Amino acid sequence: DAKTTQPPSMDCAEGRAANLPCNHSTISGNEYVYWYRQIHSQGPQYIIHGLKNNETNEMASLIITEDRKSSTLILPHATLRDTAVYYCIVRGTDKLIFGTGTRLQVFP
Amino acid sequence: DTAVSQTPKYLVTQMGNDKSIKCEQNLGHDTMYWYKQDSKKFLKIMFSYNNKELIINETVPNRFSPKSPDKAHLNLHINSLELGDSAVYFCASSQGHGRGLGYGYTFGSGTRLTVV
Repeated sequence: DAKTTQPPSMDCAEGRAANLPCNHSTISGNEYVYWYRQIHSQGPQYIIHGLKNNETNEMASLIITEDRKSSTLILPHATLRDTAVYYCIVRGTDKLIFGTGTRLQVFP
Repeated sequence: DTAVSQTPKYLVTQMGNDKSIKCEQNLGHDTMYWYKQDSKKFLKIMFSYNNKELIINETVPNRFSPKSPDKAHLNLHINSLELGDSAVYFCASSQGHGRGLGYGYTFGSGTRLTVV
């Protein structure tokens, strides 16, 4: 499975869009990009995933570059409850391998 | 509620004891997992079962023995507990497995194990 690189932490003002970047330059053609988040002391929560097209659901949008070497998770209107660690994962096999993620702090 | 449920939520026990953590999912998924999150918050997969068959074993000490009586349950039994086993253990489930499949995992809320 390809390795991902994320900034260790980010801040975002409440109500603003949070844009979380992820680099996965060694991704191969059949590997999906997944995003999960873990709110303090809870189990990881699935957010969104994509292969090569941009994706949107009720939680977030996922923008994948044309060369698939990086992606951005967008939370359009961040709230205090979005404060969490966000994991970008490239999955090609049977298992999700978590990195260290980005700790997003949403402030009032 | 449809979910992945784990019991107990908290477990405090002495070194050398044997303990079990139970996990059940009512999502109709055919694959279940155990993850360990240590004090540094690093999440690491331990085991995976698909339709009651072990498909992933990530070099976990053999003191850890998963058991899947049916595809809705995956229990974790730990023998001779050590201080280093203290962690949060998460159960998860998904539908299907295999390269490139875009299926998400659903995680339980975790079991915090403290070995004293």
